[in-house]
Amino acid sequence: KAGVTQTPRYLIKTRGQQVTLSCSPISGHRSVSWYQQTPGQGLQFLFEYFSETQRNKGNFPGRFSGRQFSNSRSEMNVSTLELGDSALYLCASSTGQGEGEQFFGPGTRLTVL
Amino acid sequence: EDQVTQSPEALRLQEGESSSLNCSYTVSGLRGLFWYRQDPGKGPEFLFTLYSAGEEKEKERLKATLTKKESFLHITAPKPEDSATYLCAVQAGGNKLVFGAGTILRVKS
Repeated sequence: KAGVTQTPRYLIKTRGQQVTLSCSPISGHRSVSWYQQTPGQGLQFLFEYFSETQRNKGNFPGRFSGRQFSNSRSEMNVSTLELGDSALYLCASSTGQGEGEQFFGPGTRLTVL
Repeated sequence: EDQVTQSPEALRLQEGESSSLNCSYTVSGLRGLFWYRQDPGKGPEFLFTLYSAGEEKEKERLKATLTKKESFLHITAPKPEDSATYLCAVQAGGNKLVFGAGTILRVKS
């Protein structure tokens, strides 16, 4: 069974630009959650998508947005990048129904210059 | 507010020296407690999910236990390849996971 895939693996952007990251969940999983990981704040929840609808949202500004497609693949977008947005962005895949394991992808390392 | 605290922040062990990592939590309505292992530059790797107090799960040299206020990850006779950051997370509302800061484990041969 293929795992969670994220593209691209590495990105370098400058302040003010925008960026789109992609996540393909495990086959059959309908929930995709996004997390930001930084040395100072650790892993923080951004949002969750289930069946193309945002089901849960963390405490991040509106510059962070996402969407999910009918095949469960998800994208997250960050507009007007700031230096503090430099982080490892991780997505987690699960069935989304009740309790259950969440499996993470390898992450996208975003560097904002 | 849901909160997860892990201790110690860092742990150095000699190969074969057993120890335990602690994860204490406060959450309204625990739906699951997760343990992950994370190697540098990689995504967290799923280890265990525990759902109710008294539950235990084992995998190779690792054993996770759960009480109403904390969870322990016991490492028996660790090897250098067990070196990693171990993350604990709780699932409360929805699918959101709240993570602790992690314990950095180094096992020397």
